Amino acid sequence: SAVISQKPSRDICQRGTSLTIQCQVDSQVTMMFWYRQQPGQSLTLIATANQGSEATYESGFVIDKFPISRPNLTFSTLTVSNMSPEDSSIYLCSVEGRVGEQFFGPGTRLTVL
Amino acid sequence: EDQVTQSPEALRLQEGESSSLNCSYTVSGLRGLFWYRQDPGKGPEFLFTLYSAGEEKEKERLKATLTKKESFLHITAPKPEDSATYLCAVQAGTGRRALTFGSGTRLQVQP
Repeated sequence: SAVISQKPSRDICQRGTSLTIQCQVDSQVTMMFWYRQQPGQSLTLIATANQGSEATYESGFVIDKFPISRPNLTFSTLTVSNMSPEDSSIYLCSVEGRVGEQFFGPGTRLTVL
Repeated sequence: EDQVTQSPEALRLQEGESSSLNCSYTVSGLRGLFWYRQDPGKGPEFLFTLYSAGEEKEKERLKATLTKKESFLHITAPKPEDSATYLCAVQAGTGRRALTFGSGTRLQVQP
């Protein structure tokens, strides 16, 4: 299984600002995924990020609000732009294992005031 | 559209009291069904993958089973440290690699 780290682990931000979340993997992976977990709810996929191509966004999520970078096979960033209190969530990155399972990072807990 | 429904939403057990969690799914050609454990403030921890009806996987006090429409996570003689939220997810056989998650079952095991 891959070891995944995320920075920051948590943050409190003001409305209208942006936050960039980093995801680092200890091995090279083709696909990385970004999920959102709102308070008391399950995981919702934001986008899939492949190295060398544009991220693919799910319905309801747009690049202007959640720009993603994937500069190499071990790293990705997700930016939450122009934040509002509704963006308060846990943001998780994950990578795919050998047989389709996904391994998750510890998450970034974001609170927007 | 792929859908995953988990029941019950919450379950409280006494230590040693065995039970089962249910995961019902509809998916375009199941590629895999996954069980995860999530502790508060942490990311989901991978437990099992099931691929075809009739398959079973075991790990300590947990056993996962799969039919064509649902999966069960059986917990035998649970301990307080088994308290967590258990998530079920599916991956479709359409080439889409992302997982669709259920809403989870919050399990509390009391000593």
